[in-house]
Amino acid sequence: DAGVIQSPRHEVTEMGQEVTLRCKPISGHNSLFWYRQTMMRGLELLIYFNNNVPIDDSGMPEDRFSAKMPNASFSTLKIQPSEPRDSAVYFCASGIAGAAETQYFGPGTRLLVL
Amino acid sequence: AQTVTQSQPEMSVQEAETVTLSCTYDTSESDYYLFWYKQPPSRQMILVIRQEAYKQQNATENRFSVNFQKAAKSFSLKISDSQLGDAAMYFCAYRFKAAGNKLTFGGGTRVLVKP
Repeated sequence: DAGVIQSPRHEVTEMGQEVTLRCKPISGHNSLFWYRQTMMRGLELLIYFNNNVPIDDSGMPEDRFSAKMPNASFSTLKIQPSEPRDSAVYFCASGIAGAAETQYFGPGTRLLVL
Repeated sequence: AQTVTQSQPEMSVQEAETVTLSCTYDTSESDYYLFWYKQPPSRQMILVIRQEAYKQQNATENRFSVNFQKAAKSFSLKISDSQLGDAAMYFCAYRFKAAGNKLTFGGGTRVLVKP
């Protein structure tokens, strides 16, 4: 099993640019989560999907952030326009929805916005 | 709202010895899950152990075990026979079963292992 795959692993961009982070969940998993990790705020859940449908996006910071899951094997998190305060490590995690669900994390994308 | 607190920012342990990490949580629910995740320098989040609140028996995974005290809302992690590879950040996390799949994380404890 390849685990959760995220790309790119590192991204450096300038303020105002669009950033797209990608995630491929573990095959067979039907829940997908996007987290952000910063020193100041720790690990925060941004949004999660069940069966490709967004269930809770209350953690999405603002309208500049959007997430999609067009199919069971792919999701994107887009920031447009990016700002320096968006610099963080972004994690994607997947799991099997249900009472005993455990989330499995990808390696993360380290984003730096200059 | 649920909160998870890890009161120890950093813990140091000698190789082959035992270290215990503290975690407390605040919830009014009775049916939930608790987790410990390990984050090594690679930044990967790795599941260490999971506990279901309705199970009284403490979970164990090889050298890792928990002390789950439901009434006290405490969920500590014990690492026995510490190894250099155990050095990492450790995060405690809570999930309420009936409220979707959201994990609430504590602030983390850094574990240093001395050879």
